[in-house]
Amino acid sequence: DVKVTQSSRYLVKRTGEKVFLECVQDMDHENMFWYRQDPGLGLRLIYFSYDVKMKEKGDIPEGYSVSREKKERFSLILESASTNQTSMYLCASSLQGARYNEQFFGPGTRLTVL
Amino acid sequence: GNSVTQMEGPVTLSEEAFLTINCTYTATGYPSLFWYVQYPGEGLQLLLKATKADDKGSNKGFEATYRKETTSFHLEKGSVQVSDSAVYFCALTGGNNRKLIWGLGTSLAVNP
Repeated sequence: DVKVTQSSRYLVKRTGEKVFLECVQDMDHENMFWYRQDPGLGLRLIYFSYDVKMKEKGDIPEGYSVSREKKERFSLILESASTNQTSMYLCASSLQGARYNEQFFGPGTRLTVL
Repeated sequence: GNSVTQMEGPVTLSEEAFLTINCTYTATGYPSLFWYVQYPGEGLQLLLKATKADDKGSNKGFEATYRKETTSFHLEKGSVQVSDSAVYFCALTGGNNRKLIWGLGTSLAVNP
């Protein structure tokens, strides 16, 4: 089974801190995604990566950056955390060229910025 | 561009009731359609999928049929259980086939 793990389930940070959220997948997937989930807004794509060192902006990239130095790892970086970045962050991965384009999700990181 | 509209929640049902969650879409070409489920405190997981018109996806007693003529992919279950309480998301493949386009999710609460 595909396993997607995220470094923390819960995280509390202060305004202005630099925050790193890590995601690792163990099935050699090319595509990896970062979403944030907020009540009433569903899932919104922040960034995705389709290969090592490749990235593409999603719908809400402002205030975020990403890093993909190895195929299995995709990091989301909040350069200077703000209270409006308090949210649930979900990482996902998928196999490029797969017939069904299924995405596999991690358990999520609930980030609170004080 | 492609888009998904699903019915707003929350939906509250009694155990053994019939469930329908509506999902309609706008798309160019022939997207694949998905239902994902998110149980409390967990990430999303694929519930079922359909890849072409008139396909029926099914899993865990849930079903959805890809209706091209009505651009719909409604989720149904004949008899819900308390354990079905979750948030359900409808999705379809995006234009470049790497991304998924998501509905806003429908929260379901099933009471004993």
